[in-house]
Amino acid sequence: AQTVTQSQPEMSVQEAETVTLSCTYDTSENNYYLFWYKQPPSRQMILVIRQEAYKQQNATENRFSVNFQKAAKSFSLKISDSQLGDTAMYFCAFTSNNNAGNMLTFGGGTRLMVKP
Amino acid sequence: DVKVTQSSRYLVKRTGEKVFLECVQDMDHENMFWYRQDPGLGLRLIYFSYDVKMKEKGDIPEGYSVSREKKERFSLILESASTNQTSMYLCASGLDWLGNQPQHFGDGTRLSIL
Repeated sequence: AQTVTQSQPEMSVQEAETVTLSCTYDTSENNYYLFWYKQPPSRQMILVIRQEAYKQQNATENRFSVNFQKAAKSFSLKISDSQLGDTAMYFCAFTSNNNAGNMLTFGGGTRLMVKP
Repeated sequence: DVKVTQSSRYLVKRTGEKVFLECVQDMDHENMFWYRQDPGLGLRLIYFSYDVKMKEKGDIPEGYSVSREKKERFSLILESASTNQTSMYLCASGLDWLGNQPQHFGDGTRLSIL
């Protein structure tokens, strides 16, 4: 069974600064997929960024990037030039092709507050 | 864009009632999921379905059942609601055969059992 751990229940950052959210996972599989999802207050959960384990290059999406350390089983999210709209719950999630239905395992979440 | 619609944003029910939460997706996805979201616990999978009339238990299926009579609709049923089922419920859908494709979520239903 896989587990996903987010060790920071809450974080805050000043607008325009950079913040890094941590995520570690445990699996015995070699080929899998990792995701960061964002859930703004009272709004829908949306995908922020994804990473395939077989790709060595870290994924980036505009101001969002990941630091994927496969050996350490670490998958942190870096948000650069933080904006007020980045205030949200952030969830790290794991799946693999061996998971029936590609079901996701989620971490406990990190609540990020961006301060003006 | 994929749209996943949950029938209610907020719902208040009484202990012992039978409760139905409905979810509809419009992208012909094979897989549909019901999660429960609680503070500090993240999202936990209750049930998922990979085809019409097919279902699989997730991590916390006790006290719940599901129904998928049509591909686009996935219902979560609380047979006899209890106060410990007060929570946020999220429905999601996704493609079956691509692990790197994200799931798409509904807005959630905040359910209170009194």
